Amino acid sequence: RKEVEQDPGPFNVPEGATVAFNCTYSNSASQSFFWYRQDCRKEPKLLMSVYSSGNEDGRFTAQLNRASQYISLLIRDSKLSDSATYLCVVIRGGYQKVTFGTGTKLQVIP
Amino acid sequence: GAVVSQHPSWVICKSGTSVKIECRSLDFQATTMFWYRQFPKQSLMLMATSNEGSKATYEQGVEKDKFLINHASLTLSTLTVTSAHPEDSSFYICSAREGISGTTPTQYFGPGTRLLVL
Repeated sequence: RKEVEQDPGPFNVPEGATVAFNCTYSNSASQSFFWYRQDCRKEPKLLMSVYSSGNEDGRFTAQLNRASQYISLLIRDSKLSDSATYLCVVIRGGYQKVTFGTGTKLQVIP
Repeated sequence: GAVVSQHPSWVICKSGTSVKIECRSLDFQATTMFWYRQFPKQSLMLMATSNEGSKATYEQGVEKDKFLINHASLTLSTLTVTSAHPEDSSFYICSAREGISGTTPTQYFGPGTRLLVL
């Protein structure tokens, strides 16, 4: 089983829709979690950290479920500019072990 | 946010040559830098973790004698692909970890280096 798994998609959603992605992790010792966004042929950029209590940044909400070992990203009111691949990142081992998910591709259509 | 640069952004070379890629943290000191490789339509794969002043830690399956990493200062890490072959053609991305006391460390990525080995 992979350490971090994501549904590769693509998720094709209309503008204005709400879409959610999950990312599961297998190692219960994982300690920190992030969502990154990667545009085609570009480097990943940090979208948001994921805290146990959940956190929100504008239209984006991230949540962590330690019991079920997954993190989620919710995007409300999707914009065309949200089209990208969303990577979840799981960190353990004192920040020495960083694992990326394979990414979920989102395509927002007019 | 913090800025990480990589140089060069594109490399085309002949098979058998060595290629050096530089990764610099421009406005912060990074005790730890990471090197990733990404093949088309695949996820980032961590190659090695580089700590300033010590030997890099390589992931399983990554040949340390082929991918030489030097993290000589708190702002510079280099990756040298020795005797590159066509199968080494990939997108190489470095990242640097910014850790401010009392906050969650954040990784910032360089823009990546596209390597094409002919």
